[in-house]
Amino acid sequence: EPEVTQTPSHQVTQMGQEVILRCVPISNHLYFYWYRQILGQKVEFLVSFYNNEISEKSEIFDDQFSVERPDGSNFTLKIRSTKLEDSAMYFCASSHRASSYNSPLHFGNGTRLTVT
Amino acid sequence: DQQVKQNSPSLSVQEGRISILNCDYTNSMFDYFLWYKKYPAEGPTFLISISSIKDKNEDGRFTVFLNKSAKHLSLHIVPSQPGDSAVYFCAAKLDSGSARQLTFGSGTQLTVLP
Repeated sequence: EPEVTQTPSHQVTQMGQEVILRCVPISNHLYFYWYRQILGQKVEFLVSFYNNEISEKSEIFDDQFSVERPDGSNFTLKIRSTKLEDSAMYFCASSHRASSYNSPLHFGNGTRLTVT
Repeated sequence: DQQVKQNSPSLSVQEGRISILNCDYTNSMFDYFLWYKKYPAEGPTFLISISSIKDKNEDGRFTVFLNKSAKHLSLHIVPSQPGDSAVYFCAAKLDSGSARQLTFGSGTQLTVLP
């Protein structure tokens, strides 16, 4: 079964550094998402992306965050200047259609970001 | 913002018995609900969903019940198996046909004892 793949599985960075988290969504999917889960907390929505533009973003997704689909396969999340509170598991997800009854989100296994 | 709540952080059930996981929501505009299962070191995996126009959806051992008047949904797993041990997340969505976000509950850790 096709999968959403994320790299790296674990990223350690120093506060203030830029990080890029990478995702390869399922190939025929059109809608792409980033979610994150801080340790011990709930899974939180960051951003959705369709047709090469952001569809919706949460208040977490401030100017330090950006997303890009640089080619036909990758979907990236960039954090320009990381803060300690950015430490979390970041999940990429994709869906064929706008996550509806017959088109649920498929999640990757996540990238654990540790900011020191 | 606690629009989707799972009030039980953990649940233990004997193998072969029924597991019932509960979820409450506050936003009456949600029209689509899902359950995801998550194993350690993996992403959430879609399990089952239900539209707000239905009150029950069944898929094998898994059944989701929706009570709109009570703003409550539940996931029943019968019979429970040790491989079902995982964190179960309830999620809800406004406007099922859009790219809008899923709002997740905080999860319930299910442990099925052999």
